[in-house]
Amino acid sequence: DAGVIQSPRHEVTEMGQEVTLRCKPISGHNSLFWYRQTMMRGLELLIYFNNNVPIDDSGMPEDRFSAKMPNASFSTLKIQPSEPRDSAVYFCASGSGGGLYNEQFFGPGTRLTVL
Amino acid sequence: AQSVTQLGSHVSVSEGALVLLRCNYSSSVPPYLFWYVQYPNQGLQLLLKYTSAATLVKGINGFEAEFKKSETSFHLTKPSAHMSDAAEYFCAVSDEDDYKLSFGAGTTVTVRA
Repeated sequence: DAGVIQSPRHEVTEMGQEVTLRCKPISGHNSLFWYRQTMMRGLELLIYFNNNVPIDDSGMPEDRFSAKMPNASFSTLKIQPSEPRDSAVYFCASGSGGGLYNEQFFGPGTRLTVL
Repeated sequence: AQSVTQLGSHVSVSEGALVLLRCNYSSSVPPYLFWYVQYPNQGLQLLLKYTSAATLVKGINGFEAEFKKSETSFHLTKPSAHMSDAAEYFCAVSDEDDYKLSFGAGTTVTVRA
């Protein structure tokens, strides 16, 4: 199994530009999570999906952020317009259940730099 | 909502010494508890998890953790640190019916030669 795949691994963009981060979860997993990690705020859950449906997006910082999961094998996190304070490492994780089975498998992350 | 507190944002140990990372949870019922490790420039990887089957849980790379209900703790230990253990470690908690994990702030471990 290839694990969770994220692309791109690094993204450098200018303020105001649209940024799209992509994630392919592990086949068979039915939950998908987007996290943001910064030195100041640590690891933050942005949004999570179960069976392709957004369940909790309370962690999405503002309307500039949006996430979609059109099918079980693909998700995107979009920032439009991007701002320097969005610079962070964004992780996607997938899992196959809650509670006892709530082991999440993380991708390698996308390091975003907004100039 | 469940939460965990990790005591100490940074721990420095000598190679071969005991590694002890502290985690306390806030819950009136036993939750599901996890320890993850993050090596530089990588995603998080599961070290071990507590699922109520046994209070002493063994994980990968020689790590283990003990669930103590009376202390609401789930501390992570390794008897002998190796240079490759240098990483950031996260404690996390989940409810039985919850798909979310609540992560602690993390503890960075450095290992001195």
